[in-house]
Amino acid sequence: TQLLEQSPQFLSIQEGENLTVYCNSSSVFSSLQWYRQEPGEGPVLLVTVVTGGEVKKLKRLTFQFGDARKDSSLHITAAQPGDTGLYLCAGYDNYGQNFVFGPGTRLSVLP
Amino acid sequence: GAGVSQTPSNKVTEKGKYVELRCDPISGHTALYWYRQSLGQGPEFLIYFQGTGAADDSGLPNDRFFAVRPEGSVSTLKIQRTERGDSAVYLCASSFGWGTGELFFGEGSRLTVL
Repeated sequence: TQLLEQSPQFLSIQEGENLTVYCNSSSVFSSLQWYRQEPGEGPVLLVTVVTGGEVKKLKRLTFQFGDARKDSSLHITAAQPGDTGLYLCAGYDNYGQNFVFGPGTRLSVLP
Repeated sequence: GAGVSQTPSNKVTEKGKYVELRCDPISGHTALYWYRQSLGQGPEFLIYFQGTGAADDSGLPNDRFFAVRPEGSVSTLKIQRTERGDSAVYLCASSFGWGTGELFFGEGSRLTVL
């Protein structure tokens, strides 16, 4: 089974600050997704990255897939309270044909 | 609505009882996934259906857990002889295909075993 690690586990910052969270594995994934989950709801997809070295931007969020397709990062610029939530990365496991999730980074942005 | 629907939203049961959790996926989505999420953790894969068949059930923790999708649409996760350790939020997701497709999640069924 392929495993994903995420860091930091918790992050509390002030509104307007920048931050980066990480997703790492010893395994290669054919694709990697980032989801955001709010309390009482299911995760919602933010982005899918497929190509090693790929960078995708979604407004203030920048996603990068490592060259070796084993790791990814999510950078948020000028964080806002609305960015608060649990950020999950998920890799597609080619062997099991299912999505493996990391434990998540819980982000709190204080006004 | 047109999203993934899960029922019940909350279920409290006693240790040893039988529980069924239902998932109604987005119409036309052939892939259906069950995950379990404990407090403060990421979703843990349980089982994946492609159509009516279980393509991967390697995440089911033991033989007390079973899931069906008889007509390739609605799925039911069945838990026999529940234990306190089964307490978690059970999430269902569907997608149009498999591989790099987006997973659309329901709001989950919160199971509490007393």
